[in-house]
Amino acid sequence: DAKTTQPTSMDCAEGRAANLPCNHSTISGNEYVYWYRQIHSQGPQYIIHGLKNNETNEMASLIITEDRKSSTLILPHATLRDTAVYYCIGRELYSGAGSYQLTFGKGTKLSVIP
Amino acid sequence: GAGVSQTPSNKVTEKGKYVELRCDPISGHTALYWYRQSLGQGPEFLIYFQGTGAADDSGLPNDRFFAVRPEGSVSTLKIQRTERGDSAVYLCASSLQLGPIYEQFFGPGTRLTVL
Repeated sequence: DAKTTQPTSMDCAEGRAANLPCNHSTISGNEYVYWYRQIHSQGPQYIIHGLKNNETNEMASLIITEDRKSSTLILPHATLRDTAVYYCIGRELYSGAGSYQLTFGKGTKLSVIP
Repeated sequence: GAGVSQTPSNKVTEKGKYVELRCDPISGHTALYWYRQSLGQGPEFLIYFQGTGAADDSGLPNDRFFAVRPEGSVSTLKIQRTERGDSAVYLCASSLQLGPIYEQFFGPGTRLTVL
């Protein structure tokens, strides 16, 4: 799985968009970009994933650059409940290589401020 | 429906003691994963099961750690001769089947403190 780099921490005002960057310059063509978040005292929670096209679901949007070397997770209207550590992970889905665990880095601690 | 549950939520033990941590996966999920999370770090993989068998235990740090899933549902992580460095949050996750296309659902974790 590709190594990812994220800022250690970010602040965002409540109600504003939170834009969380992730660099994954070594990502291979078969690797998807996954985002998870971990609210304090809870286990990680899946948010969204994508390969090359931008993706949107009820939680967030994922913007992947054309060269796939970086991506941005967007929470369009951050609330206090979005305060969490956000993890960007590169994963091969169809290689058949047999490594099915998630490889987490340290993530970005997002603080949503009232 | 019920999510992944883990018991106990907190466990305090003394150095050298034996502990067991339990994970109840989502009903019907055949794959089960254990991770360990130290303070300020992301979760680190320990072991995963497909059914009753351990498909990959390469993340277990040493032979003091062992996990079982005898009936393909509940799993127990066992730690012998605990050390202070074993203090961490132990997370369990389950997925419908084994494979990266299947979303992993995490439990709240067990916080283990070794004094």
